[in-house]
Amino acid sequence: SYVLAQPPSASVAPGQTARITCGGDNIGSRSVHWYRQKPGQAPVLVVYADSGRPSGIPERLSGSNSGNTATLTISRVEAGDEADYYCQVWDRDRGGVFGGGTKLTVL
Amino acid sequence: QVQLQESGPGLVKPSQTLSLTCTVSGGSINSGGYYWSWIRQAPGRGLEWIGNIFDGGSPHYNASLKTRLSISIDTSQKLSLRLSSVTAADTAVYYCARDEGPPTSYFDLWGQGILVTVSS
Repeated sequence: SYVLAQPPSASVAPGQTARITCGGDNIGSRSVHWYRQKPGQAPVLVVYADSGRPSGIPERLSGSNSGNTATLTISRVEAGDEADYYCQVWDRDRGGVFGGGTKLTVL
Repeated sequence: QVQLQESGPGLVKPSQTLSLTCTVSGGSINSGGYYWSWIRQAPGRGLEWIGNIFDGGSPHYNASLKTRLSISIDTSQKLSLRLSSVTAADTAVYYCARDEGPPTSYFDLWGQGILVTVSS
């Protein structure tokens, strides 16, 4: 079964760049999506299909995907970026597959 | 603007059936070619995809829940979820979400979620 691995936590100072990784076997051949979830709220799609950005999501958030690692990059990090971030793919056998999530702390 | 809203009991007894409904407002569940998914999140845990359905199509289930699960779209165009023989492990916030559908399948619109507690 297909598994996505994310680091449980990451931290970054305001104004710096955060990179959150999502590892999976040959994930570069799949379409990867990213969600942001703040406490007590529903997840919000922030990147789709590796690097697409939904309407309303700032350009500071970007995605890339190659080999065995997909990456969500948040530039010029702000306090409001503090949240849990989840990667997700579709697997023909398992259906929707989520990574375990990364808690981003803004120092 | 399309919005999703989950509804149903917040408390279910062990061994009983959990039943939830998702109402789509500002749009139609059978327009746009979307699938519709259920996703849950146990307290303090990550997201778990439960299953999805396309109006007029067969549902697709998470294999770990398949024997207890039923997802459908009823005649009033509401998305429903039924999970039988629940245990404490089914305690979670349940979300309905609009699903782009295979092979890409991402969730671009979510309901606010409903907490369902399984307890006697």
